Amino acid sequence: SAVISQKPSRDICQRGTSLTIQCQVDSQVTMMFWYRQQPGQSLTLIATANQGSEATYESGFVIDKFPISRPNLTFSTLTVSNMSPEDSSIYLCSVVRERGALINEQFFGPGTRLTVL
Amino acid sequence: KQEVTQIPAALSVPEGENLVLNCSFTDSAIYNLQWFRQDPGKGLTSLLLIQSSQREQTSGRLNASLDKSSGRSTLYIAASQPGDSATYLCASYTGTASKLTFGTGTRLQVTL
Repeated sequence: SAVISQKPSRDICQRGTSLTIQCQVDSQVTMMFWYRQQPGQSLTLIATANQGSEATYESGFVIDKFPISRPNLTFSTLTVSNMSPEDSSIYLCSVVRERGALINEQFFGPGTRLTVL
Repeated sequence: KQEVTQIPAALSVPEGENLVLNCSFTDSAIYNLQWFRQDPGKGLTSLLLIQSSQREQTSGRLNASLDKSSGRSTLYIAASQPGDSATYLCASYTGTASKLTFGTGTRLQVTL
């Protein structure tokens, strides 16, 4: 498995501000992802955090709203910009452990619960 | 586009009962399938990973099966305990071997 930590664990923010969430892994990993879980919903992939290059965003998510950094193989940040109440969600980072050819297993951090007033 | 559905959405059982959670997916061309547990307000804990070539995986009281041809997976929990109360999510690796498509989840409550 992998030990993944996220900071902050929760926050309450005002509309129009930005919040940066940190994700730290206990060992080097190639693939890191950021997900959003809106209240009562399942998880939706925001983007793949690529080390040394720009993140790859899924349909419906844009870099201006969710800028992502990946300075090395153990750390990534997700910023939620110009927040509105609709951004209230749990944000989770995940990493992939390769168990064999085309056999990957994902592990998740504890999540950051964000409330926007 | 892959769609993953879980039935039932919620389930309440008395302690000690055996139970089955269902997961169905529309695109059978999956690489692997993974089951997770999520406690309220928390992150996800990986329970079992079933490779596309496997039909089942077991870990303790948990047994997960996979039938790719019918687009179905089940998670069997034996002798349920109150500590099993959580939301259970299945997710398929579709399109790539690394990206997950999540199901809608089953919220399980095990009562004393």
